[in-house]
Amino acid sequence: EDQVTQSPEALRLQEGESSSLNCSYTVSGLRGLFWYRQDPGKGPEFLFTLYSAGEEKEKERLKATLTKKESFLHITAPKPEDSATYLCAVQLSGGSYIPTFGRGTSLIVHP
Amino acid sequence: DAGVTQSPTHLIKTRGQQVTLRCSPKSGHDTVSWYQQALGQGPQFIFQYYEEEERQRGNFPDRFSGHQFPNYSSELNVNALLLGDSALYLCASSLLDSDTQYFGPGTRLTVL
Repeated sequence: EDQVTQSPEALRLQEGESSSLNCSYTVSGLRGLFWYRQDPGKGPEFLFTLYSAGEEKEKERLKATLTKKESFLHITAPKPEDSATYLCAVQLSGGSYIPTFGRGTSLIVHP
Repeated sequence: DAGVTQSPTHLIKTRGQQVTLRCSPKSGHDTVSWYQQALGQGPQFIFQYYEEEERQRGNFPDRFSGHQFPNYSSELNVNALLLGDSALYLCASSLLDSDTQYFGPGTRLTVL
């Protein structure tokens, strides 16, 4: 069965303390991998789409990378406003649109 | 430019009742998808609408149905509500076959 696993479930950082979030997937044929940010009680906000192993994308303090079996979301020198839940989703090749989401990583950045 | 809007924000229903949730897509978008997000979980895909037709459907029972109107807005209907239907219901809009979805703020449904 196709599966998306995110780790850690929760992460507490001090402001300025860089770290990485992991999204591993076991799917037969990846079309795309997506990262979203979700604030409490709100809808997910699109961050990145990655399509092929070796691809990297950056936005402010965030950088997403992709290998054949996992993706990392690197957070450099985080600020308290980066606190949120970060969701990963995968989309399979073969025409089906249906994305499969992981449970997310809850990030808290302390000042 | 208004983003995706959803109504109502919160809703409380009792078991067995029916509920209708509404979504207006981002301006220029023609495709609407609905998701259910239980507490502590990632969103689960319910279905997607394009040109007033259901295009894709996730693993949800027939109690969940939808509709898309000519102006691209959409409704999600849930019949015979169960306690387990309590969740945040998210609407996302996009252009057909675009990978970038824009989510609304969601409707929090509580079933008592």
